[in-house]
Parts: sequence; C-alpha cells; structure tokens
Amino acid sequence: AQSVTQLGSHVSVSEGALVLLRCNYSSSVPPYLFWYVQYPNQGLQLLLKYTSAATLVKGINGFEAEFKKSETSFHLTKPSAHMSDAAEYFCAVSAGGSNYKLTFGKGTLLTVNP
Amino acid sequence: DGGITQSPKYLFRKEGQNVTLSCEQNLNHDAMYWYRQDPGQGLRLIYYSQIVNDFQKGDIAEGYSVSREKKESFPLTVTSAQKNPTAFYLCASKAGGPYEQYFGPGTRLTVT
Repeated sequence: AQSVTQLGSHVSVSEGALVLLRCNYSSSVPPYLFWYVQYPNQGLQLLLKYTSAATLVKGINGFEAEFKKSETSFHLTKPSAHMSDAAEYFCAVSAGGSNYKLTFGKGTLLTVNP
Repeated sequence: DGGITQSPKYLFRKEGQNVTLSCEQNLNHDAMYWYRQDPGQGLRLIYYSQIVNDFQKGDIAEGYSVSREKKESFPLTVTSAQKNPTAFYLCASKAGGPYEQYFGPGTRLTVT
C-alpha cells in the first residue's frame, strides 16, 4: 500500500520569501514521486517528478524537490515566492506495479502576501 | 496541440438524473483515469482503464459507471445512485510505465 501526507493544508508566505511545502510518503517499494500545481477551477499541471535518477529534482517555475529516502520525504521548495505561485499543490506517489496508479495527498493551499 | 479535453466545463442537473461527463485525449496514451475532487480531500480515484474495452474500479466507484470503447475516449456517467454527486471531476491519461499523468481542465458538476 502507498500513501502520502502533506503537512499543512494552508501555507502563507510573503512575496520574496522561501516557499517550503512538506510531503511524506509511505511505500513498500521504491517510489516514483510527483508534485502537481492546481490553479482555481483548472486541472493539475506537473511541476516536477522523481523517478529514481538524481535525488534533487528541478521543475518548472523555479521549484525543486529533494528525495530523502531515510526521511521518506519529498519536500517542495522555491527560494523566492512570487504572487503567481499562489495555488494549491499536490504531492503524489506511485509505487509501481502493473498500472503505476497515483495516490495523492490532500493538498496544500499556498497564499502569497504582497 | 496534444492534450485532454473535458466537456462541458460546468454542468447542472436535477437530483435523480443520470449525467455523462466527456473526456477525450489525443496523446495516444493507453491509460485513462477519472478522479473526484472535493475541498480539503485531494483527488480520489473513481475508475481507471489501462486498455480499450477494459477498466477497473478505483477507491470510490459506487454510483459511477464508465466505458472505454475507443482509445481516445473515456466517458464517466454519474448515476442517480451516487448520493453526493456535486463535485469537481478530473480526467487524466498516462503513457505506459512510471510516467506522469496528464490532466484535463475538469468539469464542475452541480446537482440540486
């Protein structure tokens, strides 16, 4: 079985501040991990993914995430928040198998204050 | 441009009526998925299909039905048996293997 826990349903930062969104996963096999972003009333867009290559993954819009096996974590960071980063962020895990189903966390809503 | 289309964007129905949500993809992906999204609950898997003419129940399949007669299309029917159908519905597709899912823009269904 696989699961994802996103710590903090709502994170608020000031423009220009560090963004840190936390994700911990549970998986019985080496996982594939993903971060998605969702703007209001839209679908999900892939930010970045970890598929067992480099543990530090760079994505779009200046975001990156680091896979830490010992901590079962895949936290998302961005050095300097921009107003356009305000959205909901979802972490997801796929533990392989015949269909590579994704299990999503409940999401973290990021608010960026001017 | 390749992508996933969902129609309509907004859908209103009366209680007791069945309604079908459309999902079409031109990415040549084998796998397709339907999710339901409610505030604060993330995405929950309703049904998925890995190949034409085959599909499996997800975590919350009760009150829903699907078909997969063509590779490009994976319509979802919300039946009158679904007790709380008002939600945002997302369709996704994926190439075979450990790859990311691509999402459509979603359909917001309101049942009154």
